[in-house]
Amino acid sequence: DGGITQSPKYLFRKEGQNVTLSCEQNLNHDAMYWYRQDPGQGLRLIYYSQIVNDFQKGDIAEGYSVSREKKESFPLTVTSAQKNPTAFYLCASSPGQGSSYNSPLHFGNGTRLTVT
Amino acid sequence: SQQGEEDPQALSIQEGENATMNCSYKTSINNLQWYRQNSGRGLVHLILIRSNEREKHSGRLRVTLDTSKKSSSLLITASRAADTASYFCATDAMGNMLTFGGGTRLMVKP
Repeated sequence: DGGITQSPKYLFRKEGQNVTLSCEQNLNHDAMYWYRQDPGQGLRLIYYSQIVNDFQKGDIAEGYSVSREKKESFPLTVTSAQKNPTAFYLCASSPGQGSSYNSPLHFGNGTRLTVT
Repeated sequence: SQQGEEDPQALSIQEGENATMNCSYKTSINNLQWYRQNSGRGLVHLILIRSNEREKHSGRLRVTLDTSKKSSSLLITASRAADTASYFCATDAMGNMLTFGGGTRLMVKP
């Protein structure tokens, strides 16, 4: 079964700690994305990667970092510099480079991060 | 502000009724997509309509696009309790990454 796996589903951290969210896909997609969703709001783009070893900032990249060492994996680190880290984080992928406007996104089931 | 804005923000209907959700956007687009999100889950793609298309159907879904008014609508016919979810439109403003609206929360009462 092809898809995107995000883990863990729920994550709790103390303020001031960095935390890494996992995202793995077996769809052989080139492009991967991280979105943040706050209650009652739409999705906001944090980072995206169109090819291995390359990634770009989205609309709200401050306080986050990513890596893309393998095609299948695109982990997101929420650093202590992120002022408001509690949110629902969604990872997505799409086939081909720069194809977001031609192809639908495939989403994982998200990680709910709570920082206290 | 977001490129796409859904209207209404929330909609409650009885099973069997039709549900209509609207999306307005600000700038020219290549295509517009609709997604569904069940509570606490990821988004699932429903339908993509290109800027040169006016209407598209998929099962009980009908999507229209009016580029002159910069708006789209999603119609779910003969709704079921299982259609209860949030529905989002997403636009690609001429090559930029997809931008999502705030969503319409649909509740279908059995």
